Amino acid sequence: AQSVTQLGSHVSVSEGALVLLRCNYSSSVPPYLFWYVQYPNQGLQLLLKYTTGATLVKGINGFEAEFKKSETSFHLTKPSAHMSDAAEYFCAVSGARTSGTYKYIFGTGTRLKVLA
Amino acid sequence: GAGVSQSPSNKVTEKGKDVELRCDPISGHTALYWYRQSLGQGLEFLIYFQGNSAPDKSGLPSDRFSAERTGGSVSTLTIQRTQQEDSAVYLCASSTHLRTGPTNYGYTFGSGTRLTVV
Repeated sequence: AQSVTQLGSHVSVSEGALVLLRCNYSSSVPPYLFWYVQYPNQGLQLLLKYTTGATLVKGINGFEAEFKKSETSFHLTKPSAHMSDAAEYFCAVSGARTSGTYKYIFGTGTRLKVLA
Repeated sequence: GAGVSQSPSNKVTEKGKDVELRCDPISGHTALYWYRQSLGQGLEFLIYFQGNSAPDKSGLPSDRFSAERTGGSVSTLTIQRTQQEDSAVYLCASSTHLRTGPTNYGYTFGSGTRLTVV
C-alpha cells in the first residue's frame, strides 16, 4: 500500500526566496513519485516525476525534486520564487513497478503563496 | 483531441437527482482515471480503466457511483440520487504506459467538472 504526506497545507515565501515543499511517502514497493501543480480553476499539470535512474529530477518552470530513499522523501524545491508560482502543489506516489496497478495516491496538497 | 476534455465544466443539481459526467481522453491513451477533489481533501481516487481489463472500482464511495468506458475511449461517471456531500470537482485523467517518452507514467488531467448539489 502507498500513502503520501505533505507537510504544510499553506506555505508563504517572498518573491526571490527559496521554495521548499515537503513530501514524504510510504510504499511497500519501489515507488514512482510525482509532483503536480494546479493553478486556480485549472486542471493538474505534471511538474516532474521520478521513476528510475537519477534521484535528482528537474521539471518545468525551474522546479526540481530529489528522491531520498533513506528518508522516504521527495521534496520539491525552486531556488527563486516567482509570483507566477502561486498555485497548489500535489505530491503523488504509485507502486506501478511491481504491483501491476497504475493508481496514484495523492497528498492533500500545499498551497503556495508568493509575497511581493 | 489534444487534451483531456471534460463536460460539463459546471453542474448544479438538486439533491436526489442523477448526474452524468463525461470524459474524453487523449486519443491513444489506454488508461483513464476518475478522481474527486473536495476542499481540503486532496484528490480521492474513484475508478481506473486500463485497456480491456476489468476496471479498478475500489475507490467508488458508494453504490450510487458508477462509471463506464465505451470503446476504450470516452468515459461517463454517473452519480445516482445525488447528496450534498457529493459536491466536489470531479477530475478525469488519461495516460499511456509506454516505457519511454516524456509522458510515460504521468497523467494528463482534464479541467474537471465542478458539481454542486443543492
